[in-house]
Order: sequence, then C-alpha cells, then structure tokens
Amino acid sequence: NAGVTQTPKFQVLKTGQSMTLQCAQDMNHEYMSWYRQDPGMGLRLIHYSVGAGITDQGEVPNGYNVSRSTTEDFPLRLLSAAPSQTSVYFCASSRAGLPGNEQFFGPGTRLTVL
Amino acid sequence: AQSVTQLDSQVPVFEEAPVELRCNYSSSVSVYLFWYVQYPNQGLQLLLKYLSGSTLVKGINGFEAEFNKSQTSFHLRKPSVHISDTAEYFCAVSEGRGSTLGRLYFGRGTQLTVWP
Repeated sequence: NAGVTQTPKFQVLKTGQSMTLQCAQDMNHEYMSWYRQDPGMGLRLIHYSVGAGITDQGEVPNGYNVSRSTTEDFPLRLLSAAPSQTSVYFCASSRAGLPGNEQFFGPGTRLTVL
Repeated sequence: AQSVTQLDSQVPVFEEAPVELRCNYSSSVSVYLFWYVQYPNQGLQLLLKYLSGSTLVKGINGFEAEFNKSQTSFHLRKPSVHISDTAEYFCAVSEGRGSTLGRLYFGRGTQLTVWP
C-alpha cells in the first residue's frame, strides 16, 4: 500500500493563479481531510469529506474548493491564489465511523504564492 | 468545538534527560486523545492514542502519555530522550459524539530539540 500520496511536493504560484493539489489514498478510507500548517498555528482543517459525494467545511475554508467523486481521491482547488495561502498542505484519511480511528497523513505539499 | 492548548512552543533538553510535553483540552463528556510527531520535512505520524481504559498509554519510541480527566490534560513523557527525538509534537483531540464526530482538533505544536 502506498498509503496517502500528495502531488506536487512543491509549487510556486503567482497571485491570482489557480491550481489543484492532488491527494489519493489506497486504504479504502471513507474519511478524508485537508489541513494547512503554518508556523506557530499547528494544523488547521480546511475541508473534509466523510465519503464520496459528501464534503463539508472546516475552520479555514475560504479560498479553497473540494470535491469527492471517488473514495480514493480528494483534490483541493485554489481558485485565485493569494500570498496568505502560502503554507504547507497536508491531506489525511481514516476509516469513518469511530472517532478514535487513526488519521494517516500524506507527506505534504509546500506552496508558495508570490 | 474543542480547543487544544500545548503550553510550551519550544522545549530544549539535553540527550538522556527526561522530558514532558504538556497538553490541555477543553472539557467534553467523551474525547479521544492523540499525540502525533512530525520529523523535519515529513508528514505527521501517530505516536500514541487514548481511547478508553487505562489512563497511562504507551506509544512508539519509548513515549507514554497520561490521561487526566479531572485536569483535562494529556501530557506526553519520555524518561530519556535521544537526539533522534528532535521533532515537532502535536496533541490532538477528537470528540466522541455530535456533529463533529471523528474530526481532529490540533494544538499549535511543541518543538522538541535534543542537544548532545
């Protein structure tokens, strides 16, 4: 199993550009989520999904869109990048149903917006 | 919604010394508690978790944590650290009921630096 994979690992964008951060998992996990990590802020939840076709907002959703058409994939879209979106982005997945289930994290995407 | 407080943003310690990383969470009827570790330029890895039962939980790499319901704390300890323990440590909480079932709330992290 590859676990949770994220592409790209690094990305530099100009203000106003759009892009999609890819996330895939091969563990058949129902629950997937996107976090951003900023120095001194820990991880903050952007969006999450409890299954294909179901998504919901986390605590910092503005400027980001998600969709979940398959169990495996959960892409994060930046429609018009801003410097405030410079961050490290992590995707995670877990089995749904039990809150004690471990979340498995991808290696992250480091995004810089100029 | 939960809030998680990690009381120390940075903890420097010498090799082979004991260490405690502190974590407090806001009160809730039922919670599940986690510690994750992040090595430089890597994703997060589960260190240990408390779901129920014994309040002392043992994890990987010699770490352990104690759940204290009355003090709403879940402090992480290791009796003797190694240089390889240098990393950032995150405390996280998941609620056992309600609309946020399964969602993880993270603290801001504690950078542990072990010096030779």
